[in-house]
Amino acid sequence: DTAVSQTPKYLVTQMGNDKSIKCEQNLGHDTMYWYKQDSKKFLKIMFSYNNKELIINETVPNRFSPKSPDKAHLNLHINSLELGDSAVYFCASSQVGLAGQETQYFGPGTRLLVL
Amino acid sequence: AQKITQTQPGMFVQEKEAVTLDCTYDTRDQSYGLFWYKQPSSGEMIFLIYQGSYDEQNATEGRYSLNFQKARKSANLVISASQLGDSAMYFCAMSRPWSTGRRALTFGSGTRLQVQP
Repeated sequence: DTAVSQTPKYLVTQMGNDKSIKCEQNLGHDTMYWYKQDSKKFLKIMFSYNNKELIINETVPNRFSPKSPDKAHLNLHINSLELGDSAVYFCASSQVGLAGQETQYFGPGTRLLVL
Repeated sequence: AQKITQTQPGMFVQEKEAVTLDCTYDTRDQSYGLFWYKQPSSGEMIFLIYQGSYDEQNATEGRYSLNFQKARKSANLVISASQLGDSAMYFCAMSRPWSTGRRALTFGSGTRLQVQP
C-alpha cells in the first residue's frame, strides 16, 4: 500500500503551459506539504495545509496555487510555467503523535522539466 | 529562523565500516525535532531516524543511530556496518514545535555517501 502517492511521476512541458500535480495520502494524517528540490538537491518548503486550511505559504510566486479538496489530497497547480520551475516536487504528510513526535512521510516526487 | 548545516558534501566509506555524517543546527526554539532522511539515486525520500530535543537518550533504528549533543547543537548520523545499498544522499532536517503551527521541515544541503566494496 502506497502511503503518499503523487501523479504524474514525470512531467515534461513547454514554457508558458499550465500543469497540475496531484498528491494523495492514505495515512490519515491531518497535515500535508509541498516541497521543491532544485537542481543542487536543496529542499525547501513551499506550502503546508492542515485540515484543508493553508498554514504555510513561503515566498512562492503566485503562479503556484495549492488546493486541498479534502484532508487526504493536496494538489499543486502551476500557471505559465517558466524554465526555473524545473525541479522535483515532493508532497509529504504528517500528524503529531501522542508523544509529540511528528514524522513527515514523502511521496515519490514529481520530476518537472520545462522546455 | 532555523538553520541546518551539513559540512560534508561527499563522503566515502568502505563496506562493513561505520561512518558518521555531520549535522549542526541553529534554532531559538526550546522544543524541536531532528530528522535524517535518505535519498537514493531513484529519488525518493526515506525517513531514517528521529530525535526529539527533550529526549535524553540518543535515538537508534537498526544500523542507524543519532549522536545528539544538545549543547553543541549537533545531531550526527552514525551508520554502522555500511552496505553498498547505503550509497545515497543523506539529509538532516529540523522541525519546529507543532504548537507553532509551522511544522515544515528545514533541510540541510545534504551529504552524498558512497560505500566502496
